Amino acid sequence: DVKVTQSSRYLVKRTGEKVFLECVQDMDHENMFWYRQDPGLGLRLIYFSYDVKMKEKGDIPEGYSVSREKKERFSLILESASTNQTSMYLCASTPSGTSPLHFGNGTRLTVT
Amino acid sequence: EDKVVQSPLSLVVHEGDTVTLNCSYEVTNFRSLLWYKQEKKAPTFLFMLTSSGIEKKSGRLSSILDKKELFSILNITATQTGDSAIYLCAVFTSGTYKYIFGTGTRLKVLA
Repeated sequence: DVKVTQSSRYLVKRTGEKVFLECVQDMDHENMFWYRQDPGLGLRLIYFSYDVKMKEKGDIPEGYSVSREKKERFSLILESASTNQTSMYLCASTPSGTSPLHFGNGTRLTVT
Repeated sequence: EDKVVQSPLSLVVHEGDTVTLNCSYEVTNFRSLLWYKQEKKAPTFLFMLTSSGIEKKSGRLSSILDKKELFSILNITATQTGDSAIYLCAVFTSGTYKYIFGTGTRLKVLA
């Protein structure tokens, strides 16, 4: 069974802090995604990566960056956290676009 | 702009009822439509549909895609309280290589 692990389930950070959200998958998937989920807005794509060291902007990349130094790990970075980045963050992976996404359990981030 | 729209936004039913959830889309380079169930944490995969008119079925859940009218439905028969969840619809587009999600339908099943 595919396992996508997000390092933290809950996180509380202060405005202006640099925040790292980590995601690791164990199935050698090429493609990895970061979404944020907000009530009434659904899942919105922040960044995705289809190979090591490759990254593509999603629909809402502002205020975020990503890193993919190893195939199994995809990190989301909030350079300077702001209160409007309080959200549920979901990581997902898939071997290809003809396959379903496999999600991690999510990180609920609160920025105060 | 690519978009996926789900309806209704929320639904409250009683155990034993049958529900139909809707997902319509407007995207370029459609490849597949996916349904997920989300309870407290990770969305779990239900169905992936690529061809029109072919019903996918798993127990009390079934889904079908209409590529001409650009929509899909998810049916749940004989609902149970364990079906209470957010149901997400997503479309994968090969042009942008993105999975685009709708806002979800929140289903509550009362005992």
